[in-house]
Amino acid sequence: KQEVTQIPAALSVPEGENLVLNCSFTDSAIYNLQWFRQDPGKGLTSLLLIQSSQREQTSGRLNASLDKSSGRSTLYIAASQPGDSATYLCAVRQVEYGNKLVFGAGTILRVKS
Amino acid sequence: DGGITQSPKYLFRKEGQNVTLSCEQNLNHDAMYWYRQDPGQGLRLIYYSQIVNDFQKGDIAEGYSVSREKKESFPLTVTSAQKNPTAFYLCASSQSSFSAGEETQYFGPGTRLLVL
Repeated sequence: KQEVTQIPAALSVPEGENLVLNCSFTDSAIYNLQWFRQDPGKGLTSLLLIQSSQREQTSGRLNASLDKSSGRSTLYIAASQPGDSATYLCAVRQVEYGNKLVFGAGTILRVKS
Repeated sequence: DGGITQSPKYLFRKEGQNVTLSCEQNLNHDAMYWYRQDPGQGLRLIYYSQIVNDFQKGDIAEGYSVSREKKESFPLTVTSAQKNPTAFYLCASSQSSFSAGEETQYFGPGTRLLVL
């Protein structure tokens, strides 16, 4: 059974700092991995999607990497801003279950001004 | 504007009562999903539907029921059999659940269910 773990559970950093969020998964048979952002009491917004054949994806100040063989992904946020404060969730799409996503518990990020 | 709407934003359930959460999408997506989110946990899949008039159980379907009579609508009923229904419920949709390519799910704003 696929398990997705995110470390750390919470992170507080000063504005302007670069930071890395970690995601690991136990079964490497995945189609892709996604990073989502969730603001308090809101739905999820997709940030980046990395196909299993890809190594990384970039969007603005965000860079996500994927090492499928070791079951790891990182989300790098450059020059963090208070507006980046949110919960970041990673999810893997299982080969075995169509478009089923398996989620990690998330990392709660707070960027202090 | 295209998107997914969920209603109500907050819902209160009394003991022994069934309640229904609404999810509507105008993205012309074939697939729709219901997730449950508890504090400090990731989302868990309750039910999903790949096409109209078809749906499958997810990981935690007990105490829940769904229907998919129209492409744009996928309501979730929380029955009295669900003993711990307090949670945040999220609906999502995607173009198709059959393709293996780049396929993202789009999420609604969520419904918070509380037990009185």
